[in-house]
Order: sequence, then C-alpha cells, then structure tokens
Amino acid sequence: RKEVEQDPGPFNVPEGATVAFNCTYSNSASQSFFWYRQDCRKEPKLLMSVYSSGNEDGRFTAQLNRASQYISLLIRDSKLSDSATYLCVVRASGNTPLVFGKGTRLSVIA
Amino acid sequence: NAGVTQTPKFQVLKTGQSMTLQCAQDMNHEYMSWYRQDPGMGLRLIHYSVGAGITDQGEVPNGYNVSRSTTEDFPLRLLSAAPSQTSVYFCASSSGPYNEQFFGPGTRLTVL
Repeated sequence: RKEVEQDPGPFNVPEGATVAFNCTYSNSASQSFFWYRQDCRKEPKLLMSVYSSGNEDGRFTAQLNRASQYISLLIRDSKLSDSATYLCVVRASGNTPLVFGKGTRLSVIA
Repeated sequence: NAGVTQTPKFQVLKTGQSMTLQCAQDMNHEYMSWYRQDPGMGLRLIHYSVGAGITDQGEVPNGYNVSRSTTEDFPLRLLSAAPSQTSVYFCASSSGPYNEQFFGPGTRLTVL
C-alpha cells in the first residue's frame, strides 16, 4: 500500500459546483497533514494545513479522520481559477520528510 | 525576499555529463529539500537537509549528491547524467518540520 494515495481524477465540474477529494495515508503515526495546490507547470504551494478538529478557509474545508486514516478537501462554489492539481501531504513526525500524494486534478468548466 | 530561487530554469545534458542544480533561499530556513516530479509519479524526495552541514537521503537518492555548507544554499549535483534523470526538479525550504514548505520555480532537465 502506498504511503499516501489519491484519486488522480480528473474531476471535471461546472462553475459553482461543490467538489470533494479524499486522500488516504498508511502510516498511523502521521502527525501533520496538508493540502498543496499545483498549477500546470508551476511549483506546489500550500493551500491549507489540516487540523484534527477540521478547518475552513473561505470556500475550502479540510477534515481529518484519524481512525480511518484519511483526509478530505471540500471546495464549495467552484471557480475557474480553482482548476489545478491538489496534492495531499503527510508527515509522520519530527524531522521526517513530507510525503506527497500524486495529486488529484480538478478542472472547473464554464 | 526572493524566497526560493533555482537555476537554471531549463537544461539539456548528454548522457554522462555532470552538472549542478543551484538552489538558494533568503528566508533563513533550516530545512531544505530536493524533489523530482515525473508524470504519474508525483513528487519524490531525493535528498534533504535539516541544517547546515547535515544532509540525508530521501526516496530516490541514487545518482545525486548534495552538500549544505551554508544555511542559504543547497546545490544538487548529478554525477553522470542518465536519460532516467529527465525530470522537473524542485527545491523547497521551510523554517521547521511542521511549517509550510516553500518551493522554488523548478528546473526542467532533459538528458539525451
């Protein structure tokens, strides 16, 4: 089982739609969780950290389920500018490196 | 602040050539990493460093060397380039293990 798994998509959704991505991780000792966004031919950038109690940033909501070892990202009212690849990122602990999922591609269409 | 800078942006090498990809950050970050990104493979960690003078191997270190003589710089050396090293290379830095990782714009390398 891969350390971090994501559905590669693509998810093609109309503007205004709500879309959700899930990501599963295999290391139960994982302590830090993030969603990064990567635009085509650009570098990844942090979208949001994921906290145990769940957190929201505008139209974006992230949740963590430790028992089932998955994190989710919900995007409400999708915009054309949300089209990108969303990377699920997990860190076990301390100085261990980040582990990246392969990403889920989202295409928001007019 | 310039953030994380990488040079060159593009590079074409012949098999067997060596070269160094440069990475620098001006944020006084202790943590720096090198990744390669290939289609369908996601980001894979090559080497990383938790401070000047300290480096460690990541998931795919073979064929690459790194050093960290200063906090600011973390060059990646390809010893003898192979076509399998054709990829996009990203350097990243962060101020601590739980903090946001900032990426450079990447170097697109083609090995013929």
